[in-house]
Amino acid sequence: GQQLNQSPQSMFIQEGEDVSMNCTSSSIFNTWLWYKQDPGEGPVLLIALYKAGELTSNGRLTAQFGITRKDSFLNISASIPSDVGIYFCAGHVRAGNMLTFGGGTRLMVKP
Amino acid sequence: DVKVTQSSRYLVKRTGEKVFLECVQDMDHENMFWYRQDPGLGLRLIYFSYDVKMKEKGDIPEGYSVSREKKERFSLILESASTNQTSMYLCASSFYTGTYEQYFGPGTRLTVT
Repeated sequence: GQQLNQSPQSMFIQEGEDVSMNCTSSSIFNTWLWYKQDPGEGPVLLIALYKAGELTSNGRLTAQFGITRKDSFLNISASIPSDVGIYFCAGHVRAGNMLTFGGGTRLMVKP
Repeated sequence: DVKVTQSSRYLVKRTGEKVFLECVQDMDHENMFWYRQDPGLGLRLIYFSYDVKMKEKGDIPEGYSVSREKKERFSLILESASTNQTSMYLCASSFYTGTYEQYFGPGTRLTVT
């Protein structure tokens, strides 16, 4: 089945730094989603991408749907302590209603 | 706003007990999903349902069953809980067609002793 490789697995950065993470796959996806999970909570949808090449922003977050449709990137600018959490990418293929999830990137921010 | 609620945030059960985890969504979504989340393993799909009384196995259905008697409610059942089922359980819902965006509940952290 499809697999998503998400990197890095974890990041420990200084407050104010920019962050970049990505997901890659050997399969083509027609939708990419990015979620954030706060400690002890369920994932919350941050950004949804539907077209190859699409670049979408949500405040300090920017995500891109790779032109090959096999990858996606999430950038966070000027990180703050509340950005701490696990970020997941998820992809959808044409058939079925299920999502494939990446393994997550754990972000830690030092004030 | 979509709201997905789960019956318990924390649950402690003994080995061999029958465990029910309930999930309710208020957005009239057709699809509902149960995942478990373990460190280093990400989110793994246990079961999903695309309609009342319909269910499909996910990647790790062994040891679990589900019930969907009403559109808004999806229950996960552990017939005989075991220690290797200690985990975080997440419920999600989505529309049958369209964006495929899934919305998650807050999770139930289950400990089986």
